[in-house]
Amino acid sequence: QVQLQESGPGLVKPSQTLSLTCTVSGGSINSGSYYWSWIRQPAGKGLEWIGRIYTRGGTNYNPSLNSRVTISVDTSKNQFSLKLSSVTAADTAVYYCARETAMDQLDYWGQGTRVTVSS
Amino acid sequence: QSVLTQPPSVSAAPGQKVTISCSGSSSNIGNIYVSWFQQLPGTAPKLLIYDNSKRPSGIPDRFSGSKSGASATLGITGLQTGDEADYYCGRWDSSLSAWVFGGGTKLTVL
Repeated sequence: QVQLQESGPGLVKPSQTLSLTCTVSGGSINSGSYYWSWIRQPAGKGLEWIGRIYTRGGTNYNPSLNSRVTISVDTSKNQFSLKLSSVTAADTAVYYCARETAMDQLDYWGQGTRVTVSS
Repeated sequence: QSVLTQPPSVSAAPGQKVTISCSGSSSNIGNIYVSWFQQLPGTAPKLLIYDNSKRPSGIPDRFSGSKSGASATLGITGLQTGDEADYYCGRWDSSLSAWVFGGGTKLTVL
């Protein structure tokens, strides 16, 4: 059973860079044809896809966040990471990592981690 | 504003059936597969339906999905109080190269 777990600071100051890591267990991040995604949800609001990485090469980012987002993968640690630069209060949200199959299924999700942007 | 449009809320009595719609333009739903996610209070979203109508292993057949034209529908029969949750539709938009989601629908089982 694949499991994903987000980790990182729960509080980030405005203008700084938000950094989160998702650790994958129960399977190799490098096996199969999977994408590894980040999705966020502000309190009381809907889901917003941030971006994804394909371990065999390539990333896609939400056009609205593209200039601030970097997603990378560390196959040796079975982890992938999110960096979101120049954060503001609008970036305060619960951040989820998720696995996406080649057939467009977001089938496994982490439990989410709450990040607050505040001075 | 979401690319996909869902009603903000629906409600029905235990044991009854409810449907939740997800509408978009023909360019973002018409020829594309839609997924549905269930988010119970305080938990992460969970894949409920994929490819418009397929259920992952472990999802009861009380949950069903369908699509017609530029609209997708989630159906839930035999409603239980444990079905109270937010439900989201979503799909990979190849023109944006991004996932897009509906705004979510809160289901209340009266």
